[in-house]
Parts: sequence; structure tokens; C-alpha cells
Amino acid sequence: SQTIHQWPATLVQPVGSPLSLECTVEGTSNPNLYWYRQAAGRGLQLLFYSVGIGQISSEVPQNLSASRPQDRQFILSSKKLLLSDSGFYLCAWNTGRLAGGEAFFGQGTRLTVV
Amino acid sequence: AQSVTQLGSHVSVSEGALVLLRCNYSSSVPPYLFWYVQYPNQGLQLLLKYTTGATLVKGINGFEAEFKKSETSFHLTKPSAHMSDAAEYFCAVNNQGGKLIFGQGTELSVKP
Repeated sequence: SQTIHQWPATLVQPVGSPLSLECTVEGTSNPNLYWYRQAAGRGLQLLFYSVGIGQISSEVPQNLSASRPQDRQFILSSKKLLLSDSGFYLCAWNTGRLAGGEAFFGQGTRLTVV
Repeated sequence: AQSVTQLGSHVSVSEGALVLLRCNYSSSVPPYLFWYVQYPNQGLQLLLKYTTGATLVKGINGFEAEFKKSETSFHLTKPSAHMSDAAEYFCAVNNQGGKLIFGQGTELSVKP
């Protein structure tokens, strides 16, 4: 069966520090991978999605970047965090419409920038 | 472009009452539609989905939703609310490329 791992669960970082959040998927190959962010009281904002290794689409211009160094690994990074980067970050995967299209989510990372 | 609109960021019902959460979508291709539930500080869990076929779909925890193409709607219902249904609910549409677009979410409160 497929599983998705996302870590860490919580993170407190000072303004200006770097960020690296990692997500890995097991039990499937060539998944679509996503990073979403939830700010307090707001919905899910799609940040990045990837349909293959090295293929990253950015949905919103911002202080973050994403990379996909391996088929089932997706990394969210920042060189210098801003206060506005605080939020709940969710990694997800799906295999596209042919397989039903639904996405499966990790448990999320609560990032607080102080 | 695809988009999803959830009417009402907060909905409050009494325990045992009908739950109705509204979702309207726009899509240039036949949509795949989803409802997810999120409990505090957790990821999202799939409640139900519509791809093709029967327009009334049943999901987990007694929820169901009906796809109405003429109204571009996919409203979520449950006949009788439970305290454990209190959570945030998200409607989503999957476009032809597989990308999942979410609505802004509706927080459901259940009063005893």
C-alpha cells in the first residue's frame, strides 16, 4: 500500500533562517507531488506541483522553492524565512485522473517563524 | 481554468440536524470532484469522490454528495450531524492534467 511521510511535524524557526521540509512517498511510482500551505483561517493554497523528477511548477511567486531530486521525494525550501511564511504545510501525491485523481496527504508540518 | 467556490466559511448545526455544505465549481473539462475532511493539525482525508457514472455518491461517515452538471454543483450532505463531524471540509476539482484545486474550506461546528 502507498504511504506518504512528511517531516518534521512542528518547526519553530527565526526570521532569516533557512528551511527544508521533506516529503517521501512509498508504494507508488511516478506520482504527481504537491506542496500546499494553509495559513490561519484560510484555505489550501497550492504552492508547487511536480509531474516528474526535476519538473516543478510554481503556482504563487514567493519566498519558497521546491525540488524533486528523486521520483518519490519532494523538498520545500527557503533561503531566508519571513514571518509571513508561517503556516501549516501539507505534502500530497496523486497519480492523475486515469487512476481516479484523488490526492493523498501527509500529516503536515506546522511552521512558526518568530 | 478550474476553480472551486465553497459558500460559507463557517456552518453551525445542532446534533442530529441535517448537514449541508455547498460547493460550486468551474471546469473546462468533465470534472472529477472530491470532498475532503480535515481535523485539527492533521492532513486531509478523502470523504468521497465523483468521477463518472452515478451522480449521487456515498462516502465515509454517512456523508454523500450529488453532482449536478446543470448547476455546476457538488454539495455535501449528511442527514444527521454527529459531534464527531466537527471539522473543516474542503471541496476540490481535478483538472485534465491531474492537478487538484481546492476551495477555501468550510468549518463545520456541531452544537449539542
